[in-house]
Amino acid sequence: NAGVTQTPKFRILKIGQSMTLQCTQDMNHNYMYWYRQDPGMGLKLIYYSVGAGITDKGEVPNGYNVSRSTTEDFPLRLELAAPSQTSVYFCASSYSGRSNEKLFFGSGTQLSVL
Amino acid sequence: GDSVTQMEGPVTLSEEAFLTINCTYTATGYPSLFWYVQYPGEGLQLLLKATKADDKGSNKGFEATYRKETTSFHLEKGSVQVSDSAVYFCAFHSGNTPLVFGKGTRLSVIA
Repeated sequence: NAGVTQTPKFRILKIGQSMTLQCTQDMNHNYMYWYRQDPGMGLKLIYYSVGAGITDKGEVPNGYNVSRSTTEDFPLRLELAAPSQTSVYFCASSYSGRSNEKLFFGSGTQLSVL
Repeated sequence: GDSVTQMEGPVTLSEEAFLTINCTYTATGYPSLFWYVQYPGEGLQLLLKATKADDKGSNKGFEATYRKETTSFHLEKGSVQVSDSAVYFCAFHSGNTPLVFGKGTRLSVIA
């Protein structure tokens, strides 16, 4: 049971570099989410998707882009990395997005921008 | 706007002590309430949930009761163990709005 898989686990970027954080789930979930976790600040929603081909902004979308070409994959793209994007990134998924449904989380990507 | 306020940490307790982590929420509509736990180096996982007023969620000795009149969902455990050391997040989900999290409370239990 793989669940939600994120890669890489750790990454160091220089300012201005770009990268893609990968996220894939094997549970046939329709909803997928990207959160960032800053120390003492909880989780903030970056982007989410309700199905293949459909994405929407969350609370903190600036500096990021997403795509959802398949049900399984939901990559997060950083185009011009900035120190403010140093954080731990979590991908999550759920089947229907209903309010009583739990989210399944990946183990996270720790990103440092120097 | 919608938000979750939970007890500031860190909280340090001795093994077998009683735990309470306070959580209150501000939400439109009638939300479902959750506690998620994050063990060191891992992603979040659901600890317990409650979906309507006066429901009690429970798991692994932890409990929380949905109090609509006080908009609260406090987490309790009667006797904590070292293995309970983690960060605990209160969260709610209402209608079509994605899950809203509190800032998290770090718990350290010492033997």
